[in-house]
Amino acid sequence: EVVLTQSPVTLSLSPGEGATLSCRASQTIGSYLAWYQHKPGQAPRLLIYDASSRAAGTPARFSGSGSGTDFTLTISSLEPEDFAVYYCQQRNNWPRTFGQGTKVEIK
Amino acid sequence: EVQVVESGGGLVQPGGSLRLSCAASGFSFSAYAMSWVRQAPGKGLEWVSTISGGGGTIYYADSVKGRFTFSRDNSKNTVHLQMSSLRAEDTALYYCAKDWNGYNDWWGQGTLVIVSS
Repeated sequence: EVVLTQSPVTLSLSPGEGATLSCRASQTIGSYLAWYQHKPGQAPRLLIYDASSRAAGTPARFSGSGSGTDFTLTISSLEPEDFAVYYCQQRNNWPRTFGQGTKVEIK
Repeated sequence: EVQVVESGGGLVQPGGSLRLSCAASGFSFSAYAMSWVRQAPGKGLEWVSTISGGGGTIYYADSVKGRFTFSRDNSKNTVHLQMSSLRAEDTALYYCAKDWNGYNDWWGQGTLVIVSS
């Protein structure tokens, strides 16, 4: 099973600041990684797929990078609606796995 | 517009059974795999199971294998998750989600399953 480890667990930032979230895989997964945004009481939302492609409707301030075992989600300038929990997920191997999440909170 | 709506959650005793349903609309249902993902209270997302568009291929997480059965009815644009031998650790919000290239691009709001005596 591919274990995805996200860091940091919590990121405390102010609106307008940039955010960098990391996801590390226990084995190589190519570029088969997605990022989701999850807000309380809402359905998760696909933001990035195949490591760096933005899903439909994802604002340009969100970007993804990486391949192999190390991946990054970058939010260039945080908007108030961006404060949420972010999960990475791999589709290279069964079982599919998610990271444990990074909470981006308002400082 | 794509819609995914779960139903069937509730309170069940340990060892009991429950059947979740998920109705989908707004896309060519039989062309897409569907998945269940759950979130236990205070925890992260956990993939549970995925069924292919035709229903012939199904994958399960080890934590539910042998206890949960995933099925679909393409004539009704519906999938079902039959859960048996339920345990306290199965308590979670269960999301149904449309698959797209191995990722989940549309999710429902979830249905809550509580396993408790």
